[in-house]
Amino acid sequence: GEDVEQSLFLSVREGDSSVINCTYTDSSSTYLYWYKQEPGAGLQLLTYIFSNMDMKQDQRLTVLLNKKDKHLSLRIADTQTGDSAIYFCAESMGGGFKTIFGAGTRLFVKA
Amino acid sequence: NAGVTQTPKFQVLKTGQSMTLQCAQDMNHEYMSWYRQDPGMGLRLIHYSVGAGITDQGEVPNGYNVSRSTTEDFPLRLLSAAPSQTSVYFCASSYSLQGESPLHFGNGTRLTVT
Repeated sequence: GEDVEQSLFLSVREGDSSVINCTYTDSSSTYLYWYKQEPGAGLQLLTYIFSNMDMKQDQRLTVLLNKKDKHLSLRIADTQTGDSAIYFCAESMGGGFKTIFGAGTRLFVKA
Repeated sequence: NAGVTQTPKFQVLKTGQSMTLQCAQDMNHEYMSWYRQDPGMGLRLIHYSVGAGITDQGEVPNGYNVSRSTTEDFPLRLLSAAPSQTSVYFCASSYSLQGESPLHFGNGTRLTVT
């Protein structure tokens, strides 16, 4: 079945760039998403990319998609302590329909 | 604009008890879903609904029932609680089944079954 995998932890220093990686198995996925979860809260959409795109940039966030290798990455430039959270990679055929999530990467930002 | 509202925030049940987790959205979203979040396992889909009167099973439906009598509400029922159902439950909705329409999440219900 469909599967989304990502590493569980990442630690960076404040001001450095963070890169969170994700691999997925469903080649028919149309949209790939990054969600952020802060303590005690639900997930919030950070950004998404359509499957026919290679890259998307949104302020400090850069999403790279390698569809051949089914690899997605999220780069956060100039990482701040407020970026400390769990980041989830997710895939969907469209809309929110049966969105599949990875296990989440917990990002620690050291001051 | 309240978005997705889940109640209660916390609940403790004894094994065998039943309860209903409430979820309501005020965004006129077509699609609603329930996930459970467990450490190291991410979010797993329990049940979903593509519109009022229509529900279907997700990845881990056993032990849970849902109904969708209105567009706004999508309650999740635990029929006979088990310790394996200790988890954080999230309700999520999206405007459409197509396009980039992302999920909007409630703040979760933390359930402990003893």
